[in-house]
Amino acid sequence: DIQMTQSPSSLSASVGDRVTITCRASQSISGSLNWYQQKPGKAPKVLIYAASSLQSGVPSSFSGSGSGTDFTLTISSLQPEDLATYYCQQTYRLPYTFGQGTKLEIK
Amino acid sequence: EVQLVESGGGLVQPGGSLRLSCAASGFTFSNYWMHWVRQVPGKGLVWVSRINSDGSSISYADSVRGRFTISRDSAKNTLYLQMNSLRAEDTAVYYCARDPCPNAVCVFDYWGQGTLVTVSS
Repeated sequence: DIQMTQSPSSLSASVGDRVTITCRASQSISGSLNWYQQKPGKAPKVLIYAASSLQSGVPSSFSGSGSGTDFTLTISSLQPEDLATYYCQQTYRLPYTFGQGTKLEIK
Repeated sequence: EVQLVESGGGLVQPGGSLRLSCAASGFTFSNYWMHWVRQVPGKGLVWVSRINSDGSSISYADSVRGRFTISRDSAKNTLYLQMNSLRAEDTAVYYCARDPCPNAVCVFDYWGQGTLVTVSS
């Protein structure tokens, strides 16, 4: 199975900060990488698909980059409503695996 | 509006069975792959199973293979997960999710609200 490793596992940042979360795959997954946001008590919601494509309706403050094994999710200006846990997911090969999550807290 | 609504969760004893349903609406159900994903409360997301658009190709996580069965009924626009020989470690919130693969990028673009399965004596 392809292992996905996110870092950091948690982070605390202030409103307006630029935030970056990284995701590393245990082998090359080309661009088959998605990012999800999960707010407390809610289902996950896709933010970025295919490494860098913004899902319709998602604020442009979110962006993704990377290919191969290393990927990043960036929030250009953190907002209070961005409080959530963020997961990366590879869809290169079944079983589709998720990273362990990054819990984002607002200072 | 795309909607996925899970049902069928609840409390079951170890060794017991449960069938989850996921009612789909607002899109052409038969055109999409569907998945089940589970999440132990407070923990991360774990993929469980996938069924392709016509039900001819099915995959499972190693942890559930041989105990769980995914299926779909396009006449009823419903996805199912039959769970047998349940264990305490199967306790989780179960989500169904839509996937436009392979006609488009593989991504879980819509999710249900989840249904909680608790396996305990």
